Amino acid sequence: DTGVSQDPRHKITKRGQNVTFRCDPISEHNRLYWYRQTLGQGPEFLTYFQNEAQLEKSRLLSDRFSAERPKGSFSTLEIQRTEQGDSAMYLCASSLSTFEGTGAEAFFGQGTRLTVV
Amino acid sequence: QKEVEQNSGPLSVPEGAIASLNCTYSDRVSQSFFWYRQYSGKSPELIMSIYSNGDKEDGRFTAQLNKASQYVSLLIRDSQPSDSATYLCAVVNRGGSNYKLTFGKGTLLTVNP
Repeated sequence: DTGVSQDPRHKITKRGQNVTFRCDPISEHNRLYWYRQTLGQGPEFLTYFQNEAQLEKSRLLSDRFSAERPKGSFSTLEIQRTEQGDSAMYLCASSLSTFEGTGAEAFFGQGTRLTVV
Repeated sequence: QKEVEQNSGPLSVPEGAIASLNCTYSDRVSQSFFWYRQYSGKSPELIMSIYSNGDKEDGRFTAQLNKASQYVSLLIRDSQPSDSATYLCAVVNRGGSNYKLTFGKGTLLTVNP
């Protein structure tokens, strides 16, 4: 299976701990997105990479969140000093830009469900 | 004004009927439009993409785009109970080299046997 892969699938952590999630995009996909989704809501944009460059970060995202995509391959999302409000599904998606002027289809991984207790 | 708006539903249709899902967007320079299906507890699954005005058909699904009205819709013909899910509308807005993908809150569809 060469789809988007996320690890871990589930994470339970105590409030105040740091957590890190990993996303492996579809190979050759140059765009990578991170989203957060809570019950009854659509995916909320967190940040976006084109290759290794982080092009946009949501203004709603606190400084406790950081993401990297070294060498334009896999990406990590770290949450420092977790809070109960961080409990959510964290989704990663990737896409391939084909030519100027269009946004290509984005495919999601299975997500990482974070529970902060 | 929210960037992408959908009626949250729930939308309930009988089996075999046509389900019509609607979405409006606020940014006139939006270029690409997508519909995702999301089953409870699962991640979104891409089912349709549309880039130009008009209709695009794929099996029982038809996406319709009207850029002048900033409106995109999804029709599901011969609805089946397995179509019961939340349907998410997503839009790519281009700002410079930035292709941000923004989602609506989704419409919950229930198909009754």
